[in-house]
Amino acid sequence: NAGVTQTPKFQVLKTGQSMTLQCAQDMNHEYMSWYRQDPGMGLRLIHYSVGAGITDQGEVPNGYNVSRSTTEDFPLRLLSAAPSQTSVYFCASSYDRRQARDSYNSPLHFGNGTRLTVT
Amino acid sequence: AQSVAQPEDQVNVAEGNPLTVKCTYSVSGNPYLFWYVQYPNRGLQFLLKYITGDNLVKGSYGFEAEFNKSQTSFHLKKPSALVSDSALYFCAVRDRGSQGNLIFGKGTKLSVKP
Repeated sequence: NAGVTQTPKFQVLKTGQSMTLQCAQDMNHEYMSWYRQDPGMGLRLIHYSVGAGITDQGEVPNGYNVSRSTTEDFPLRLLSAAPSQTSVYFCASSYDRRQARDSYNSPLHFGNGTRLTVT
Repeated sequence: AQSVAQPEDQVNVAEGNPLTVKCTYSVSGNPYLFWYVQYPNRGLQFLLKYITGDNLVKGSYGFEAEFNKSQTSFHLKKPSALVSDSALYFCAVRDRGSQGNLIFGKGTKLSVKP
């Protein structure tokens, strides 16, 4: 199994450009999420999904959109890039708590990240 | 609201010495606590979790964590540090009020010198 795959690994955008960060998992996980990591701020949740067709906002959703048309894929779209969105983005997945009682505390599996720079 | 705090930005330890990475939490009700490790240019990897039961939790790579309810702490420990343990460590708590999403601390950089 590949686990959680993120593409691209690096990206440079100009202010105002849009792009999509891809995330795919092959573990049949229901729960998927996007975090951004900034120095001194840890990881902050952007959006998450508990299954195909279901998405919700996290702590810092502004400027980002997501969709979940399949169980495997959870792309993150930057609508109009801003320098404040310069960050490292991580996608993560886990068994959803609805599947089984123990799944509520199943660990998150992370991708290797996308380093985004907005100039 | 649930939260975790990691009071140390960096911890320096000599190889072979015991290490402790501190974490305190604030939750309503029983806490679900986690530790993750991040190696350079990689995503986070799960180390261990506390759900209920024994206060000493054992995890991957020889790490363990001690849950202390009275001090609201969940410190990560290892009896003998390795240079390869050098990494960024994150404590996390499950947010019961938000579909169970994880809330992460700001991270502690562990540096183990030979």
